[in-house]
Amino acid sequence: AQSVTQPDIHITVSEGASLELRCNYSYGATPYLFWYVQSPGQGLQLLLKYFSGDTLVQGIKGFEAEFKRSQSSFNLRKPSVHWSDAAEYFCAVGQNRDDKIIFGKGTRLHILP
Amino acid sequence: DTAVSQTPKYLVTQMGNDKSIKCEQNLGHDTMYWYKQDSKKFLKIMFSYNNKELIINETVPNRFSPKSPDKAHLNLHINSLELGDSAVYFCASSRQGGDSPLHFGNGTRLTVT
Repeated sequence: AQSVTQPDIHITVSEGASLELRCNYSYGATPYLFWYVQSPGQGLQLLLKYFSGDTLVQGIKGFEAEFKRSQSSFNLRKPSVHWSDAAEYFCAVGQNRDDKIIFGKGTRLHILP
Repeated sequence: DTAVSQTPKYLVTQMGNDKSIKCEQNLGHDTMYWYKQDSKKFLKIMFSYNNKELIINETVPNRFSPKSPDKAHLNLHINSLELGDSAVYFCASSRQGGDSPLHFGNGTRLTVT
């Protein structure tokens, strides 16, 4: 069955520190991969997406993610976090235009001043 | 201009009542969705429509009935509300299916008492 795993429910980092949020997927073929961010009381906003090509993708707000087929991973990174990055982050996977996008359970990011 | 707008933002009602949530998108997308986010932030797809046609129906109780009068609108009607229906309901749209990013509304927080 198709699945998306975000192993960390909560992550706490200090402001200015680097960040990596993990995402692993289980799909039959090369998936379409997404990272979304949800601020409190808001809907989800797309940070970045991977469809094909360069396995390192750049997104908004200084985020990037790397697709590693051998590890079935699509980890999200940021070199230096800001207090405003505190939010819930969701990894999501889709396969083709007739398929649905499914979400991981999310990782809550806390930022220490 | 709000790309995906849903109303109301908050909905508080008693068990057994019937309520509706409305959603509209001005992005020109062909596909619209309803997602349910539970108290643990888990996002689960409920329905998707492509150009007014039901594509995905994820084992949702038949008390939930989506209606798409045109491809820019997808409403959700819920009959005989139960306590377990309390959640945040998100409307989303995309150009097509699993290979296109989702654009989310800001959610409707439904509380059933």
